[in-house]
Amino acid sequence: GENVEQHPSTLSVQEGDSAVIKCTYSDSASNYFPWYKQELGKRPQLIIDIRSNVGEKKDQRIAVTLNKTAKHFSLHITETQPEDSAVYFCAATLTGTASKLTFGTGTRLQVTL
Amino acid sequence: DARVTQTPRHKVTEMGQEVTMRCQPILGHNTVFWYRQTMMQGLELLAYFRNRAPLDDSGMPKDRFSAEMPDATLATLKIQPSEPRDSAVYFCASGFSGPDTQYFGPGTRLTVL
Repeated sequence: GENVEQHPSTLSVQEGDSAVIKCTYSDSASNYFPWYKQELGKRPQLIIDIRSNVGEKKDQRIAVTLNKTAKHFSLHITETQPEDSAVYFCAATLTGTASKLTFGTGTRLQVTL
Repeated sequence: DARVTQTPRHKVTEMGQEVTMRCQPILGHNTVFWYRQTMMQGLELLAYFRNRAPLDDSGMPKDRFSAEMPDATLATLKIQPSEPRDSAVYFCASGFSGPDTQYFGPGTRLTVL
């Protein structure tokens, strides 16, 4: 089955700096890669996703890149703000099957003033 | 803005008692997932359904956990008997196969004394 590794487990950046979180996956057939943000005591919320037919996707200050050859994908947050502080989870799956997402272990991002 | 709903939001019970958690998926979604989240284990998939049929419940302790979808608007997760190690936040998520994006409910925080 799919295995997703996520790094780093914790990340501290100063407000205004960029943050990068990286994930690797094991199943080369996986073709859908969402990212979730979970604030303390809240539900995980989808913030961006990418499918294997594209290499990069951007939405305002966040972007995701995908390298299918190397089987890794990354989340980039630019101009970080205190409200970006949260735990971020990556996930991977092969669509069209049972839609079972395999999650990474999470990255706790702290944006300091 | 359609959302997944879960009840109860908080549950405190004593060891040995039965616990029932309920989830109302987003109308039209045909896949429903149950996750358990603890600090130590991250997001664990317990069970999931497609078109109300159970697809995989290999993540659940079968002797005490059961998951059902009596109809398209209700999914239930039961624990009988509950144990202190079951204390966690239980999330329900729903989605539509094809896009495969999952949307999480607010969670049920379970404490077993």
